[in-house]
Amino acid sequence: ETGVTQSPTHLIKTRGQQVTLRCSSQSGHNTVSWYQQALGQGPQFIFQYYREEENGRGNFPPRFSGLQFPNYSSELNVNALELDDSALYLCASSLGGQSSQPQHFGDGTRLSIL
Amino acid sequence: KNQVEQSPQSLIILEGKNCTLQCNYTVSPFSNLRWYKQDTGRGPVSLTIMTFSENTKSNGRYTATLDADTKQSSLHITASQLSDSASYICVVSANYGQNFVFGPGTRLSVLP
Repeated sequence: ETGVTQSPTHLIKTRGQQVTLRCSSQSGHNTVSWYQQALGQGPQFIFQYYREEENGRGNFPPRFSGLQFPNYSSELNVNALELDDSALYLCASSLGGQSSQPQHFGDGTRLSIL
Repeated sequence: KNQVEQSPQSLIILEGKNCTLQCNYTVSPFSNLRWYKQDTGRGPVSLTIMTFSENTKSNGRYTATLDADTKQSSLHITASQLSDSASYICVVSANYGQNFVFGPGTRLSVLP
């Protein structure tokens, strides 16, 4: 059991809408990373937050944004949804913002865009 | 361009047999290399993490190797079990942990 929980587990939206996905980190973890995983592919890094500040970002447009709260829970917001945004969105928490720490993943939110 | 490649794309073996999965990367500056196991419909689970100075690390029946000179890694699974059926993903951390580059994964099926 990883201790990382994500909500909702599944979500259906239409093009142009906005969505907020939520992640509760494992107890004591102050770093959270978000990933997009298309069907049959490996995850793509979206961004990482450490102590409420963005600490790194992958090759995703600004309509992908995030927040990390004082209790280290996190949100991923996506505006102006496109069909290609259909994917599994994973969050992972770790301790200390250090690159050598293991990441603990949630089971993801499956987002479908119609 | 930072990239991680994995081979084979998929693999079928019989229960009890050994297998080796490969990972090649072109990621700079290198921070560490990780192997994850991902069951269908679940999030990835960490198997090993290796830094530049480590060339082998084990976790039970899983043994990972790293050759930082050739930028290659392998994951060896011994005495495979049905529960080993999953995708195995190689991940290279760059920029001191501020970027993670994932490979496409190898889909392993273990048959009875």
